[in-house]
Amino acid sequence: QQQVRQSPQSLTVWEGETAILNCSYENSAFDYFPWYQQFPGEGPALLIAIRSVSDKKEDGRFTIFFNKREKKLSLHITDSQPGDSATYFCAANQGGSAKLIFGEGTKLTVSS
Amino acid sequence: AQTIHQWPVAEIKAVGSPLSLGCTIKGKSSPNLYWYWQATGGTLQQLFYSITVGQVESVVQLNLSASRPKDDQFILSTEKLLLSHSGFYLCAWSPGQEEHERLFFGHGTKLSVL
Repeated sequence: QQQVRQSPQSLTVWEGETAILNCSYENSAFDYFPWYQQFPGEGPALLIAIRSVSDKKEDGRFTIFFNKREKKLSLHITDSQPGDSATYFCAANQGGSAKLIFGEGTKLTVSS
Repeated sequence: AQTIHQWPVAEIKAVGSPLSLGCTIKGKSSPNLYWYWQATGGTLQQLFYSITVGQVESVVQLNLSASRPKDDQFILSTEKLLLSHSGFYLCAWSPGQEEHERLFFGHGTKLSVL
């Protein structure tokens, strides 16, 4: 049972466009949602995160939009750059638990 | 600055052989430590976590075991490898106490079981 789902599985955008990566979850008790960025052959790195009390979190070109009622969130990457090409994982955590649950990932390719 | 080191970088092992992977964190005392497994192109599955020396919690059963012999060291092992153990093993740490939300990952170990 996959508790955190991501779509699309892969996404290609042109340089300068906005990439939109989607994530949904099943457990309404999840209250913290980090996004991790992973380049091939490396470990993931925390990119940006949001708590369920907020509906938006911005950090430069990266913005999370959060809809608690629908149990959905999305990561928007504006002005996409080739260096943003990576796999992005949405994750969820409940009450600071040691168990962080990851989605299947979205592989983003930014073409120039 | 904190650094995390995983060893080896890659391993090729035979089915049925033993395995030991290691992880060391420098520059941070009493971190929380984690082992994750990632199939090629797949999601990250948490295997174990430890909040203190000598204490390890298992999250999933994959015929693997973990130990934390020292504050800065986390070991993943098995006596008998299966084909299904192939993948990318990632060690991670978080600042400790009740802080499990920000994970910092190592570069991983690529394991191929033949």
